Amino acid sequence: QSVLTQPPSVSAAPGQKVTISCSGSSSNIGNNYVSWYQQLPGTAPKLLIYDNNKRPSGIPDRFSGSKSGTSATLGITGLQTGDEADYYCGTWDSSLSVRYVFGTGTKVTVL
Amino acid sequence: EVQLVESGGGLVQPGGSLRLSCAASGFTFSSYEMNWVRQAPGKGLEWVSYISSSGSTIYYADSVKGRFTISRDNAKNSLYLQMNSLRAEDTAVYYCARDGSYYLYWGQGTLVTVSS
Repeated sequence: QSVLTQPPSVSAAPGQKVTISCSGSSSNIGNNYVSWYQQLPGTAPKLLIYDNNKRPSGIPDRFSGSKSGTSATLGITGLQTGDEADYYCGTWDSSLSVRYVFGTGTKVTVL
Repeated sequence: EVQLVESGGGLVQPGGSLRLSCAASGFTFSSYEMNWVRQAPGKGLEWVSYISSSGSTIYYADSVKGRFTISRDNAKNSLYLQMNSLRAEDTAVYYCARDGSYYLYWGQGTLVTVSS
């Protein structure tokens, strides 16, 4: 069971906006950068956001990230059918031992 | 072009061993931290292990500590995961991923199935 909690699913119509929350604690999100990954069915994860709010080259600005305290949020605007995927947050955690942790994952459905 | 190619997966009996490899190309392998991440069928991502660029610092998930060993050969541009005492719950696609704070590059994954 992950220490980072995400909603199991979110959905919206094409063109609309969705936000995905990632809730953690001071031992992970509160003191470390957060990254976000998109995983399309049958493929390897893809980095969308790093260092809380930075986008790698080639990631459209429809994707945005933010962090406040021990929570982080991924936003997707102008939702497209191709955005239908699983999304995971991730960060380092140092509660008992040093480890990297992923969120529980959120399925985005485009209605 | 950065490429990470995993190999070594397959079917193994409970209690058995397997060694995964990740061949890296398109970048200076010896300068980068590396990780193994796995995903059980129908489940989420689970980080497995981290190794620093020199190999001097290593971390493991509690679920594999004492059973798995991560290593690297910078001369061969390769990352390894030695998996011993395998259990059914180790069944997953195993990915190698580059970098420490976030994972920009991933391999395509190799499937490990632990079953009798």
